[in-house]
Order: sequence, then C-alpha cells, then structure tokens
Amino acid sequence: GAVVSQHPSWVICKSGTSVKIECRSLDFQATTMFWYRQFPKQSLMLMATSNEGSKATYEQGVEKDKFLINHASLTLSTLTVTSAHPEDSSFYICSATVATGELFFGEGSRLTVL
Amino acid sequence: GENVEQHPSTLSVQEGDSAVIKCTYSDSASNYFPWYKQELGKGPQLIIDIRSNVGEKKDQRIAVTLNKTAKHFSLHITETQPEDSAVYFCAASIRGDYKLSFGAGTTVTVRA
Repeated sequence: GAVVSQHPSWVICKSGTSVKIECRSLDFQATTMFWYRQFPKQSLMLMATSNEGSKATYEQGVEKDKFLINHASLTLSTLTVTSAHPEDSSFYICSATVATGELFFGEGSRLTVL
Repeated sequence: GENVEQHPSTLSVQEGDSAVIKCTYSDSASNYFPWYKQELGKGPQLIIDIRSNVGEKKDQRIAVTLNKTAKHFSLHITETQPEDSAVYFCAASIRGDYKLSFGAGTTVTVRA
C-alpha cells in the first residue's frame, strides 16, 4: 500500500510550548490529508481535513487556533499544537487518500505535555 | 452523520480458530467499508476493504462480507495466529467524501 510517514514518532514538551508534527506521503501525491486524535483504548477521532493550497476544515469542537494545520504541498501536511497543555497529550495520526479512494495512515505521533 | 457500531469490544480465540467482528452503519449512502488493524503504539494498517457493489471479498485468511439491506458488514479471520492479536477497527464512508467514520474497535487476542 501507499506509504505515509509521520515525524516525530514521539515528542515530550513543556506546557506552553508549541509542537509541530509532519505528515508526508512518500510515494504519491495527496491533495487531501486527514488528522486524527486517539486517546488510549479509544477509537480514532477526526480532527480536521487538510486540503493542499487551501484552509483546513475542522470538525466540530476542534479549536482551529489550537491545532494549526498547513498543507503547503501535495506531499506534506503539518499539524502544530500551539501552547500545548497536559490535556493535549495524545496520539496524533495523519492519513492520506490515494486516487482509488483507499485511506492510508501514518505511524502516529505520541505527544506528552508535561 | 454516519454512526458505526462495532461488536464485540474484545475477542479472545484459540490459535487456529476463526474470529468474527461485526459492524453496523446508519447512513444508507455509505458505500466504502475498510477494515484496519492497529498494533500497540502504531498507526492503523488497512487490511481489507469492500465497496457496496460487491457482497464479499477475500484475501488469504481474511474476508469481509457486506449486507447493504441490513446495513452491516463483518470481518472474518480464519486460522488465527498469535500475530493476528491487535485492535481491529471497521469504518464507513461515502466514496468521494473520504471521511471515515470508525467503529469503537475490537481487541483481538489469539491464545497460543
């Protein structure tokens, strides 16, 4: 299947700092990427849809000023958690669609805010 | 919006036996149903999917069935092996929309 790469795989930061997570499609171009959040032993919660060259579309209840998404190229989308707090600690996963409609996920990024 | 329910939440099977996970969906417009396997600390991996124009699809030990009338679909794993132990998620979407609605997940444990 298609390869989606996330970086970093884990990050620990102090409360109040900002953290950037990158999502890359390695062997295909992705006009649309998705960002999910997953709490321990729970399902995936869609946060936002990232569209190349335009503003992201956020799901209800997700603060767009807290979770900044940039999709500057067909192979890269970034999620920046601004002024992170302990309650932002979570597993963040990106995904991208291929032309045939399948959705492939990255390996995830575990954020721990102290 | 789409609501996907998944059962059971946990499933323990003896190695070599079969495992079946069932999901129901609410939106009759949904026409794409993927299944993902997630191992601890990793992202979900697409293992099989089915579109609404077929009723069954098989890939080696894994098969998925779809009943559009009843709005439910199932994952079947035969001859289970310890490496099949993971969390499995079903999902549904309207093709072209690409936004997946996920089930709550099933933790499968294969006992050696």
